[in-house]
Amino acid sequence: DAMVIQNPRYQVTQFGKPVTLSCSQTLNHNVMYWYQQKSSQAPKLLFHYYDKDFNNEADTPDNFQSRRPNTSFCFLDIRSPGLGDAAMYLCATSDDRAENQPQHFGDGTRLSIL
Amino acid sequence: AQKITQTQPGMFVQEKEAVTLDCTYDTSDPSYGLFWYKQPSSGEMIFLIYQGSYDQQNATEGRYSLNFQKARKSANLVISASQLGDSAMYFCAEFGNEKLTFGTGTRLTIIP
Repeated sequence: DAMVIQNPRYQVTQFGKPVTLSCSQTLNHNVMYWYQQKSSQAPKLLFHYYDKDFNNEADTPDNFQSRRPNTSFCFLDIRSPGLGDAAMYLCATSDDRAENQPQHFGDGTRLSIL
Repeated sequence: AQKITQTQPGMFVQEKEAVTLDCTYDTSDPSYGLFWYKQPSSGEMIFLIYQGSYDQQNATEGRYSLNFQKARKSANLVISASQLGDSAMYFCAEFGNEKLTFGTGTRLTIIP
C-alpha cells in the first residue's frame, strides 16, 4: 500500500544534541509537511515543501530546519533541542496545495528530550 | 487568518448510538476545504471526510457524514452507530491560504 513512513517511531535525545527525524512516501506527492504536536494540543505546521520549494512558517524557530533531497524523502533537523521541543512530530503529504486535497499523515515520531 | 473552534473538549457516548462532533470555522477565504481527522492514542492522524466550500451536498463516507451549514460556518461530523474503535481524538481542520489549520479537538470515548 502507498503510504507515509516516519522513522523512528520514538526518539530520545539529550538536551542540545542535534537530532534528525525522517519521513518517506510512496504516494509520489508533490507536497510534504512537517507538524509539531504537543500533548493535548492541535498539530502546528512548521514548514512544507512544494516540490523543491521550501516554505517556512513565520513563527517556526530557527532551531528547526528541513531537507528534501528527492520527491520521496524529507527530513526534520533540530539543531539544539530544548526541553520545550519534546513533542510528537507528524509528517504529511498531499498531491497539491489545493483545498480539496486531503493530507496523508505518517504515524509520527514521538521525541523525548533528556 | 483561519480559526477553527471545537467547543466539546470531551464526549462520552454509548456504543451503537449516533454522535455529533461540533465544529465552527472563521475564514475570509472565498474557497476552502473542510476536513475531519481521527487521532487514536497511538498518534497517527487518519483522514475521515472532506467537504468543499462550494459543494451543494453534505459529504458522506461510510458511517461518517458532515453536516455542512455554510451560512452558519458550521461543519459538524456525525458518526452513526458508534463502535468501541471510534474512541479517539477528533480534529476539524480548514484548508485555506495554502495551509491546514486545526481546531483543538474533541476526545470521544465510546462506552460499552
